Amino acid sequence: DAMVIQNPRYQVTQFGKPVTLSCSQTLNHNVMYWYQQKSSQAPKLLFHYYDKDFNNEADTPDNFQSRRPNTSFCFLDIRSPGLGDAAMYLCATSRDLSGGAGDTQYFGPGTRLTVL
Amino acid sequence: DAKTTQPPSMDCAEGRAANLPCNHSTISGNEYVYWYRQIHSQGPQYIIHGLKNNETNEMASLIITEDRKSSTLILPHATLRDTAVYYCIVRLKAAGNKLTFGGGTRVLVKP
Repeated sequence: DAMVIQNPRYQVTQFGKPVTLSCSQTLNHNVMYWYQQKSSQAPKLLFHYYDKDFNNEADTPDNFQSRRPNTSFCFLDIRSPGLGDAAMYLCATSRDLSGGAGDTQYFGPGTRLTVL
Repeated sequence: DAKTTQPPSMDCAEGRAANLPCNHSTISGNEYVYWYRQIHSQGPQYIIHGLKNNETNEMASLIITEDRKSSTLILPHATLRDTAVYYCIVRLKAAGNKLTFGGGTRVLVKP
């Protein structure tokens, strides 16, 4: 089945130690997103890629970066994780950004990040 | 994007219809109503969306009032697997696809 895959499901890192989360998709979608979801809160968009065009949300800290080497893969890099960055990180994809049915987002299962 | 208001929680009985309300009184004419749900420890899942007409798919029905200021998501026969947080989101038809999640409604389906 076509899907959005996130690995690992659980990641533990140390305070200040860089960490990379990965996302892959078999949907061949043009758009990939990263969301942060803290405990008992709603998901919050960090940034997205439309093909190779990167779009950062205005309030996303510089500590968060992203890479998309090809259509299928997208990475979230946290350069110096703090205790406040502990959260579920969700990857999503959509076919396009047309504003119609093609921009329905499909989410992966998420990676839960713990910062020690 | 217009903001939405949903009850924080609700219970419903297994096998019965679950009616989830959402107020979006500041919605504009070119904004869609989307519904997603998030089962515990999983990513959000798309359910349905609409502009002004009622919509139905294999998962649910979406009823939008004539003035578009509110909507109701209907799960026709709730099962225990429908226990989740349900998010009502209003989004511009051509806004670069930003989903702004609000508080959602925590739905507990009871046997």
